[in-house]
Amino acid sequence: DTGVSQNPRHKITKRGQNVTFRCDPISEHNRLYWYRQTLGQGPEFLTYFQNEAQLEKSRLLSDRFSAERPKGSFSTLEIQRTEQGDSAMYLCASSREGVGAGEKLFFGSGTQLSVL
Amino acid sequence: AQSVTQPDIHITVSEGASLELRCNYSYGATPYLFWYVQSPGQGLQLLLKYFSGDTLVQGIKGFEAEFKRSQSSFNLRKPSVHWSDAAEYFCAVAAGAGTALIFGKGTTLSVSS
Repeated sequence: DTGVSQNPRHKITKRGQNVTFRCDPISEHNRLYWYRQTLGQGPEFLTYFQNEAQLEKSRLLSDRFSAERPKGSFSTLEIQRTEQGDSAMYLCASSREGVGAGEKLFFGSGTQLSVL
Repeated sequence: AQSVTQPDIHITVSEGASLELRCNYSYGATPYLFWYVQSPGQGLQLLLKYFSGDTLVQGIKGFEAEFKRSQSSFNLRKPSVHWSDAAEYFCAVAAGAGTALIFGKGTTLSVSS
């Protein structure tokens, strides 16, 4: 069990640029979640996957945000035309099944995005 | 939709004193409830969870929480706080199977000597 891995740890970009983050869940974990956390706030749910299927994406913050999990393993979160308000920590978590099935979420250390 | 309120933004407790962090949830049925802790530079770690059964649940690091349906609360407690408990604490709720965790805004715990 190597834990949830997120890359990069830090990303600095200029406003208007596109950025992509990667998350590698714990192997054999079917569920993968993306959250955003700003300073002094709790993690804000964005989207999640069951294998390669994206089951909930209505909470993605705008149409500039998109996520994929093409083979049901790693996932990417892309933000197009970044804005300063996108600066935050982006967290990924995984679990074997959903939390309603009694499963524990394992969180990665996150990707800190700074938009200049 | 379910939601979580943590009324206390920041709490300071003396080392060795008892601790209670408040959490109120909004959901029509019995939710799944969680407490997570986040230390500086660390990832979120699950302290404990409640799904059903005994309303007093024990977690790691000596923490416990009590589910009170009548008050829509799930308060976290520890009888004697250690300096290493200083961290950010988040209460979270899930509506049930197939749903995601929704977090509160967190309570920052400081421990004074």
